[in-house]
Amino acid sequence: SQQGEEDPQALSIQEGENATMNCSYKTSINNLQWYRQNSGRGLVHLILIRSNEREKHSGRLRVTLDTSKKSSSLLITASRAADTASYFCATEPRRAGNQFYFGTGTSLTVIP
Amino acid sequence: EAQVTQNPRYLITVTGKKLTVTCSQNMNHEYMSWYRQDPGLGLRQIYYSMNVEVTDKGDVPEGYKVSRKEKRNFPLILESPSPNQTSLYFCASSSRTGARLTEAFFGQGTRLTVV
Repeated sequence: SQQGEEDPQALSIQEGENATMNCSYKTSINNLQWYRQNSGRGLVHLILIRSNEREKHSGRLRVTLDTSKKSSSLLITASRAADTASYFCATEPRRAGNQFYFGTGTSLTVIP
Repeated sequence: EAQVTQNPRYLITVTGKKLTVTCSQNMNHEYMSWYRQDPGLGLRQIYYSMNVEVTDKGDVPEGYKVSRKEKRNFPLILESPSPNQTSLYFCASSSRTGARLTEAFFGQGTRLTVV
């Protein structure tokens, strides 16, 4: 399977702390995306980083990509209770383009 | 408002009774896909479509059919549902920049129970 894998599976932090979650994948990619899912609802796109980019920012989100290690990280700074959700990475493999492969997700709980 | 609309949101059915889950998008996206989400397994792709009349199998296509007769619609058909198809289903659409997909827009999900 080309599915990515997030780490940790679950993360619990206090409001105001930073949250870091990681994604590892197996094959060369065109791009990597991060999504957020509130319990039982549809996924919402957060950020896309292309294979030739190393870092990207969007508000309180910072994403890094290391293609040599086939890994990415998502940092949420100054977390809020409303950030409580599951976070998924999705890759578009270069060889098998036109498909997204999602990881199994990190469940983040931000305690007020 | 840009959106992907799935119906129904919840469905309980019996083994063997054919059902269709509809999906419609209003963003003129070429690419549409179906996923199922199961605990511990993440999202797995069932089928995808690059454009009208073009569909391809994803990772878990067995027991499912799709069609793409119009650009905006991509229904998922279960000809003879079985209990192992009990799951949370998502439809998604994306545009493409050249050969690459852009962000995916997801529907709100269909929770299917097959008894």
